[in-house]
Amino acid sequence: DAGVIQSPRHEVTEMGQEVTLRCKPISGHDYLFWYRQTMMRGLELLIYFNNNVPIDDSGMPEDRFSAKMPNASFSTLKIQPSEPRDSAVYFCASSIHTDTQYFGPGTRLTVL
Amino acid sequence: AQSVAQPEDQVNVAEGNPLTVKCTYSVSGNPYLFWYVQYPNRGLQFLLKYITGDNLVKGSYGFEAEFNKSQTSFHLKKPSALVSDSALYFCAVRGPGKSTFGDGTTLTVKP
Repeated sequence: DAGVIQSPRHEVTEMGQEVTLRCKPISGHDYLFWYRQTMMRGLELLIYFNNNVPIDDSGMPEDRFSAKMPNASFSTLKIQPSEPRDSAVYFCASSIHTDTQYFGPGTRLTVL
Repeated sequence: AQSVAQPEDQVNVAEGNPLTVKCTYSVSGNPYLFWYVQYPNRGLQFLLKYITGDNLVKGSYGFEAEFNKSQTSFHLKKPSALVSDSALYFCAVRGPGKSTFGDGTTLTVKP
């Protein structure tokens, strides 16, 4: 298996623009997680899905952030409009039930 | 509610010496405990886990961890550190759905 796939790997955009991050989990995994990592705040859980259904989005910073999982093999995290404070590395991870989480390589987002 | 504490932001050891990275946890019920490692510009990678059974768990790259229920600890250990072990290490406890991660400990192994 190719592991968790994220795209793009790097994204540079200007404040106010819409940003869409994409994730393909490992086939057969029923949980999908979106995390954000910064030096100041460390690793933060934004939202997670179980069987394509959002379970806990309490970590989503504000209404500018939204996430979808239209099917078992694809998820998106959208920021609209983006702000400089959204600059971070965004990770997607997947797992089978409560077992090990497998992380993607991350998307490094820079908002100018 | 579940929580994890990694009391040391930084651990420095000399190559060849034993290393310990500390972790304590709080969770209702039986704990599912994990250690992950993150190298620069990479995602987190699984090292080892404790679900049930033997309190000493062996994992990747020669690492091991000891589950101590009375002290609610799950310290990561390695008998002989390598320079290549230098990285950021996360302890995590998994609940019914999500995991709670510690703040991470930066391990630096000096030649």
